[in-house]
Amino acid sequence: EVQLVESGGGLVQPGGSLRLSCAASGFTFSTYWMHWVRQAPGKGLVWVSCINSDGSITGYADSVKGRFTISRDNAKNTLYLQMNSLRAEDTAVYYCANIALDHWGQGTLVTVSS
Amino acid sequence: EIVLTQSPATLSLSPGERATLSCRASQSVSTYLAWYQQKPGQAPRLLIYDASKRATGIPARFSGSGSGSDFTLTISSLEPEDFAVYYCQQRSSWLTFGGGTKVEIK
Repeated sequence: EVQLVESGGGLVQPGGSLRLSCAASGFTFSTYWMHWVRQAPGKGLVWVSCINSDGSITGYADSVKGRFTISRDNAKNTLYLQMNSLRAEDTAVYYCANIALDHWGQGTLVTVSS
Repeated sequence: EIVLTQSPATLSLSPGERATLSCRASQSVSTYLAWYQQKPGQAPRLLIYDASKRATGIPARFSGSGSGSDFTLTISSLEPEDFAVYYCQQRSSWLTFGGGTKVEIK
């Protein structure tokens, strides 16, 4: 059974940092591009970032470029999102996803507030 | 960044009616366009990929069409479980999602 399990969300003050993790199982993690997608409360889906299978290629939405860093550890089957200089508008549920296989995690909530 | 514009924002229909949802891209995405369904509290579910191909297990009442910049998702006869929010997504240049169309019960 395919599973994507996010962790690391929580409450953080504006300007703070947080690192999200996504543990993958049930598929060959090391051969797929992986993505982070977020959804603010009551709002639509927004693509955040992606990384290729070996970590050599990354992409970011303009809204997070320079503040967020995506990475992966294929030995641990884990995807990461390092989020720095967080803003109130980054408040959202963050999903990790294998878009090619349509596998999504359950999401982890990040709240940026003082 | 490619912008996807979905219309209408809300569609009020009755079960059994036909639903037609539109997605317009700010530049050509060829046929690299997908449609997702999302229900409250759930992750999105892929319905259509490459503009017109149904994903595994998706009923035949869902169909997609279009290429270039204009795309359509059609639900031929709405079932009660189809009332949800629908998003288009392009993968021609990184990824972007449209703003969504809510299909609600009239």
